[in-house]
Amino acid sequence: SQELEQSPQSLIVQEGKNLTINCTSSKTLYGLYWYKQKYGEGLIFLMMLQKGGEEKSHEKITAKLDEKKQQSSLHITASQPSHAGIYLCGAPLYGGATNKLIFGTGTLLAVQP
Amino acid sequence: SAVISQKPSRDICQRGTSLTIQCQVDSQVTMMFWYRQQPGQSLTLIATANQGSEATYESGFVIDKFPISRPNLTFSTLTVSNMSPEDSSIYLCSGYSGYTEAFFGQGTRLTVV
Repeated sequence: SQELEQSPQSLIVQEGKNLTINCTSSKTLYGLYWYKQKYGEGLIFLMMLQKGGEEKSHEKITAKLDEKKQQSSLHITASQPSHAGIYLCGAPLYGGATNKLIFGTGTLLAVQP
Repeated sequence: SAVISQKPSRDICQRGTSLTIQCQVDSQVTMMFWYRQQPGQSLTLIATANQGSEATYESGFVIDKFPISRPNLTFSTLTVSNMSPEDSSIYLCSGYSGYTEAFFGQGTRLTVV
């Protein structure tokens, strides 16, 4: 079965610093989603990547999918307290297109003012 | 993307009782899913809610424990039956229409005492 491993598990950064979160899959990815979750709440969609080498940016967040489609990174530039939360990568289960997802282990981000 | 209204947002229940969680989508969606997020862990898919037929459960989840209904393309319920403290989790519903990313409800935080 496919597994998604995220690193680091948790991260504390000073406001204004850059940071990177990684997501590594045990199998080829047919799509990779990044979500953000505030503590105890639902998931907020950030970005979706599908093609090897693809890179997308939204505001201060950039996500990349490597050429081999087994690893993705999420980079936050000049972090702010509003970036705090749990970041989850997700991938279609069974490699299908139904958006039935498996999720990574999660990365807890804290941003100190 | 579409918006899912999930309720209740939280509940505290006695062991041995059942709780039904509802999700209402503001537009028709092809697929609806139910996830569980145990304390400190990532999301695990419980089942796919099929419109007009029995849900499709993932390994480790059974209909007697988690009966699911989906009477139409915008509504689904998940019941957590005969609850025990081990059922204390956040339960999330998700929808997918085939055009965009999977979107999520705000979650139901369940505590069983």
